[in-house]
Amino acid sequence: AQKITQTQPGMFVQEKEAVTLDCTYDTSDQSYGLFWYKQPSSGEMIFLIYQGSYDEQNATEGRYSLNFQKARKSANLVISASQLGDSAMYFCAMRDTGAGSYQLTFGKGTKLSVIP
Amino acid sequence: GAVVSQHPSRVICKSGTSVKIECRSLDFQATTMFWYRQFPKKSLMLMATSNEGSKATYEQGVEKDKFLINHASLTLSTLTVTSAHPEDSSFYICSFVLPSRALTTMNTEAFFGQGTRLTVV
Repeated sequence: AQKITQTQPGMFVQEKEAVTLDCTYDTSDQSYGLFWYKQPSSGEMIFLIYQGSYDEQNATEGRYSLNFQKARKSANLVISASQLGDSAMYFCAMRDTGAGSYQLTFGKGTKLSVIP
Repeated sequence: GAVVSQHPSRVICKSGTSVKIECRSLDFQATTMFWYRQFPKKSLMLMATSNEGSKATYEQGVEKDKFLINHASLTLSTLTVTSAHPEDSSFYICSFVLPSRALTTMNTEAFFGQGTRLTVV
């Protein structure tokens, strides 16, 4: 069974500062994918970044980067130069290797508030 | 990029009535679609997996007779909440993947609809 743990229910960050959102996962699979999604108050889920279990380099997408530490089973999201528009819920998610399995399992989320 | 259209975005209904939520893929054909439920300030919980032309696969604890899923075409999946009760009030969101874009299933990006906020009074 897989499990995603996000231990920070809420985080505050000063505008223009960097922030790290924690995510640890538990899986016995060798091949898996890790995702981060942003959910603003409107409810839509916005894909931010993806990291594959076999990827040797940490994923980066603009201001988003994923600090992937496979041995520790952690996949923390780093947001650099925070903006007011970054205030939202952030979900870490994982996909396993089940045949034909595209479904994602989500963590409980972290509410990020950017302070002007 | 791929677009998913989910309607309605908000709905209020009376107890005992049924509500249909539609999820359409606008740019491509989606063979597999997922339906999630999200309680306030909680995570997304998978309810069921909808495959075009076949019966949906429901997660443990989800009543298939209450949450009817129909994936009749490659561009449309519907979730019908039957005989709604106040405890069914929640945020429902659909999602699909583009398997043709992925070399493996791992990095297939999931696209989500805008979600439907259901309130049963």
